[in-house]
Amino acid sequence: GAVVSQHPSRVICKSGTSVKIECRSLDFQATTMFWYRQFPKQSLMLMATSNEGSKATYEQGVEKDKFLINHASLTLSTLTVTSAHPEDSSFYICSARGPALEVSNQPQHFGDGTRLSIL
Amino acid sequence: GQNIDQPTEMTATEGAIVQINCTYQTSGFNGLFWYQQHAGEAPTFLSYNVLDGLEEKGRFSSFLSRSKGYSYLLLKELQMKDSASYLCAVIDGYNKLIFGAGTRLAVHP
Repeated sequence: GAVVSQHPSRVICKSGTSVKIECRSLDFQATTMFWYRQFPKQSLMLMATSNEGSKATYEQGVEKDKFLINHASLTLSTLTVTSAHPEDSSFYICSARGPALEVSNQPQHFGDGTRLSIL
Repeated sequence: GQNIDQPTEMTATEGAIVQINCTYQTSGFNGLFWYQQHAGEAPTFLSYNVLDGLEEKGRFSSFLSRSKGYSYLLLKELQMKDSASYLCAVIDGYNKLIFGAGTRLAVHP
């Protein structure tokens, strides 16, 4: 079964709205969570890395004031797209990493993704 | 810079074998993943290599050569449902999982 739960799976909203996406690790403590963005027919681009209790580290070109990341506990990270515009429409995927041997020998697990459409 | 290169597209016939290559140049190396991704869905884990050699799992096998910065994914007995994108990804020295652009595989009858 799923070990990383991402919610919501789809969001359609008006331009200017802020959207929050949640990512939860279900059966393990996620010491590190990652947020990716994927545009159509392109690969996953890492946006930011967050460790529990500390500020997220953003990749070059990603606006930290636009994409707010909170990793308040070892099982929950949230990404808030503030004042979203049509160009922010994309597929956002979270990923969580915990102690490798605890979860099927896969060091990193992915959520099912959130498809964000800004009108 | 970080480079992970794989072919953009490949085609193959149902029942055949296909090999998808991946070369990488990253700041450090802590493992290589292969994922399968169908359109509109999240990637699905296929394999993880951190040591040189071949890892076999059913119809799928993955090979790694760290000295050459090279990996391949081998798919045997291809099925129509194997039509998807295959993503090569590397955990670099900063412990980040970085993806290649992906290879779109089309399996024909």
